Amino acid sequence: DAKTTQPPSMDCAEGRAANLPCNHSTISGNEYVYWYRQIHSQGPQYIIHGLKNNETNEMASLIITEDRKSSTLILPHATLRDTAVYYCIVRVGEANAGGTSYGKLTFGQGTILTVHP
Amino acid sequence: DTGVSQDPRHKITKRGQNVTFRCDPISEHNRLYWYRQTLGQGPEFLTYFQNEAQLEKSRLLSDRFSAERPKGSFSTLEIQRTEQGDSAMYLCASSHFLWGQGLDNYGYTFGSGTRLTVV
Repeated sequence: DAKTTQPPSMDCAEGRAANLPCNHSTISGNEYVYWYRQIHSQGPQYIIHGLKNNETNEMASLIITEDRKSSTLILPHATLRDTAVYYCIVRVGEANAGGTSYGKLTFGQGTILTVHP
Repeated sequence: DTGVSQDPRHKITKRGQNVTFRCDPISEHNRLYWYRQTLGQGPEFLTYFQNEAQLEKSRLLSDRFSAERPKGSFSTLEIQRTEQGDSAMYLCASSHFLWGQGLDNYGYTFGSGTRLTVV
């Protein structure tokens, strides 16, 4: 699976949009971009994923550049409860892995997002 | 269903003792994963089951570690002869995957983990 690079930490004011970048310059054509977050003392929580189109759900939006070498997770109106470590992960989708993928996620160190009042 | 449950939440043990952790996945999920997380690091994959079959083990899983999922439901992770380096958060996750459906990440749900401290 491709390696990702994220800034170690970011700050955001409550109510403002939080834009978390991720570089994945070695991503392959069949690799998806996933975002998880981990709030202190809890397990990671799935946020969103995408292949090449921008995606939006009730939690966040995912913007993937046209060359797919980088992406941005957007939390449109950050709250104090969004303070967490955010992980960007790329991996092959099951359907594209020839039946050999087992769903393992390879986490990096992530970005510590601090939302302040 | 209350999600993925792990027991105990915290465990303190003396070096050399054996410990066992339990994970109860979401009931309809056929895949179960174990991860380990040390302070300041992201979770690291240890092993995974599809139903009762253990299909992959990381090199991190030394011969002191063993995991089981005897009836394809709950799973246990045992560490024998614990060492101080085993101190970590042990996370369990589950998901449901159907061949041909593609990604299973919609249902990739983590528990809150078991924090092990070896003294």
